[in-house]
Amino acid sequence: GAVVSQHPSRVICKSGTSVKIECRSLDFQATTMFWYRQFPKQSLMLMATSNEGSKATYEQGVEKDKFLINHASLTLSTLTVTSAHPEDSSFYICSARLSGANVLTFGAGSRLTVL
Amino acid sequence: QQQVKQSPQSLIVQKGGISIINCAYENTAFDYFPWYQQFPGKGPALLIAIRPDVSEKKEGRFTISFNKSAKQFSLHIMDSQPGDSATYFCAAGGGADGLTFGKGTHLIIQP
Repeated sequence: GAVVSQHPSRVICKSGTSVKIECRSLDFQATTMFWYRQFPKQSLMLMATSNEGSKATYEQGVEKDKFLINHASLTLSTLTVTSAHPEDSSFYICSARLSGANVLTFGAGSRLTVL
Repeated sequence: QQQVKQSPQSLIVQKGGISIINCAYENTAFDYFPWYQQFPGKGPALLIAIRPDVSEKKEGRFTISFNKSAKQFSLHIMDSQPGDSATYFCAAGGGADGLTFGKGTHLIIQP
């Protein structure tokens, strides 16, 4: 079945630093990947839609200069949290859509803690 | 404006009982309705999904009932087991857009 790998699973960083999270589709090509953010005991909130070879589409209220998304290949999308602050601490989850299908496969998530 | 409303927020069911979680959506363009199961610290895992051309889909102990006219769909877990204890999210989507999630239901199955 379709597998999405997300790395790192946990990261702790100091305030002001940047953190990169990778999302890889392991056994399928994904023209579209989605990045979600989840606060404790809350639902997943779509942050942005990442399309291979083009600029990401951000949801309203999400700072595109703070959350940089790059989808350089059909199997890799990255989310970079720039100048991270404690309020950016959250669970970030990516999902990938198999090209031509409507099914989304989710990664295991990345827990970011900003000190 | 929330597009997918999920209830209840939390649910306690005795082992062997039926767990029922409900969702309602607003956007008639949605054509894909999945349910996800999430354990603490893990990403959501697809449990079962339905499209609006059918009113019910069953996979093992899990059944989705779909009412297109009412714009509602529900998840039924038959013979609920302690291992089913998790947070369940309904979602809705269509076309090239990402999914819109409900707020989740924290399910506890008591042994």
